[in-house]
Order: sequence, then C-alpha cells, then structure tokens
Amino acid sequence: DAKTTQPPSMDCAEGRAANLPCNHSTISGNEYVYWYRQIHSQGPQYIIHGLKNNETNEMASLIITEDRKSSTLILPHATLRDTAVYYCIVRGTGGGNKLTFGTGTQLKVEL
Amino acid sequence: SQTIHQWPATLVQPVGSPLSLECTVEGTSNPNLYWYRQAAGRGLQLLFYSVGIGQISSEVPQNLSASRPQDRQFILSSKKLLLSDSGFYLCAWRALAGMYNEQFFGPGTRLTVL
Repeated sequence: DAKTTQPPSMDCAEGRAANLPCNHSTISGNEYVYWYRQIHSQGPQYIIHGLKNNETNEMASLIITEDRKSSTLILPHATLRDTAVYYCIVRGTGGGNKLTFGTGTQLKVEL
Repeated sequence: SQTIHQWPATLVQPVGSPLSLECTVEGTSNPNLYWYRQAAGRGLQLLFYSVGIGQISSEVPQNLSASRPQDRQFILSSKKLLLSDSGFYLCAWRALAGMYNEQFFGPGTRLTVL
C-alpha cells in the first residue's frame, strides 16, 4: 500500500473551512484515497473516499490532484465537534481489505 | 440498518489473567471483521481480520488470539494478559459485497492491565 504523509497538527477557527492535506506520491493506479477521523476515545469514523475525481458528501469534500500524488480533505464550515485526528489512507481492494492507519493530523477547531 | 456492539466498554484486569472481548454485528451478513488495538498516544494497529466463520488472519505476533464462531461474532482472547496488552481495542466490520474499504467501527473496549 502507498505510504501517506500528513502534518501532525492543524488549527482552524470555528466556521471557517478546514483544509487537511495528504501526500501519497507512490500511489498506484488502482488505489483509492480514504479519509477517516477519530474523535477522542471513540472508534474511527469513515468520512469519504475517491479514486481520481473530486468527491463531495454531507460531511466533506475530497480534492485529488490530477497526478493523484496528493489530496486535500475540506471541511467547509468547521465546528468544535470536528476536533479530531484525521487519517488519510491509500489502499486498493482485496487482501482482506485491510486499512493501515498512520499517525494522522490532529485538527483542533477553536472559537 | 447495521450496528456493531462491543463489550465490555472498560475492563481492568491483573497481569496473568485471561481475557475475552466480544464484538457482534447486526443488520448485515458475511461481513469482513477486524480487531484493532490503539495503545495510549499511538495509532491504530490491525491485530486480526476475518473473511468468514473460522477464518482468522493474524497481522502481528502477539499474546492474543481471535475466533469467529458465528458469522457476525468476533472474539478476542488471551490466556495470560501482559502489561503491554493495555490499550483501546476496536472491532470493525466491512460489507463483503462492497467494493471499497469503508469500515465501520464499534465503540471500543478500554483495557487496563495492572
């Protein structure tokens, strides 16, 4: 599986957009980009995934560069409840469909 | 809708005692099931996964074992706990028929070994 690189921490003001970057320069053609988040003392929560097109759902938007070597998760209007560790994971299918969680980005949303 | 249950929520056990953590999933059939552990201040580590009844794959050598006696039941066990087994244990499921790696996590069990 391709390795991902994320900043260890980021701050965001409540109501503003939070843009979380992820580098995955060794991604291969059949690998998807997944984003999960983990609020303190809870299990991780799936947010969104994409292959090469930008994706949007009720939680967030995912922007993937044309060369697919990096992506950005966008929380359009961050709230205090979005404070969490955000994980970017690159994975293909098969092989038990395992996910490898790195250290992620600790996002802190403040007033 | 699908739900995933784990119990107990918290557990304090002495070193050398046995362990049994249970995970059950409702509302789906033939799921892939996963056990993860998160040590304090660390990332999630995949311990075991299962693609069917009686089928267990171990990801890392350790003091723990897993079993899947029924389609929607996944059990994590140990005969003798070590201090290093302390952590936050999470069970997750994924729809077997799904194309993607969307996993759904349970509420977790926080284990403290003293």
